[in-house]
Amino acid sequence: SQQGEEDPQALSIQEGENATMNCSYKTSINNLQWYRQNSGRGLVHLILIRSNEREKHSGRLRVTLDTSKKSSSLLITASRAADTASYFCATDAVGAQKLVFGQGTRLTINP
Amino acid sequence: DGGITQSPKYLFRKEGQNVTLSCEQNLNHDAMYWYRQDPGQGLRLIYYSQIVNDFQKGDIAEGYSVSREKKESFPLTVTSAQKNPTAFYLCASSGTANSPLHFGNGTRLTVT
Repeated sequence: SQQGEEDPQALSIQEGENATMNCSYKTSINNLQWYRQNSGRGLVHLILIRSNEREKHSGRLRVTLDTSKKSSSLLITASRAADTASYFCATDAVGAQKLVFGQGTRLTINP
Repeated sequence: DGGITQSPKYLFRKEGQNVTLSCEQNLNHDAMYWYRQDPGQGLRLIYYSQIVNDFQKGDIAEGYSVSREKKESFPLTVTSAQKNPTAFYLCASSGTANSPLHFGNGTRLTVT
């Protein structure tokens, strides 16, 4: 059962540009989380936004949440080569006991 | 350092053999999870445990088994009944259900 769907599936930009990834989901949520995965490694938690929050910042990361549209976006500003990774959203749906992950966006930052 | 250790990093097995993947955490987390990841795909939940001696099936539990005899350990056995076991397996833990997950660095299992 796939709750989150991410868009685009792949994104390639120049270093210094901003990168935006989107996540849509189907049911009501308690929170939505974003994770990063470097190739061949485990996922690393980036940021959690609760259903009553609209925007959250952490360093160069900005996450927005629109519960009326059931969507979230992750913006990475001033991208660096080290940001090259896959990014996943995960939803904590109301009444569920587990997070459900999207398919991910593969981000490539070109030097 | 606190964290999750998965071993081994790479594992090769012949078809028809059972294999057990190790996952140990020293974060004092109650909840532990096993996910499967196929190339270019998201994560699919195999099993999860919210407390010692208790676990629940996830979305793709068929052909897998787990145990949770100790808080720190949540081993996953891939049985011969799993029809397509070659994949990247990730273990995770969290302090409470659905709080941010801490992941191990995965075990890549190849079955030939």
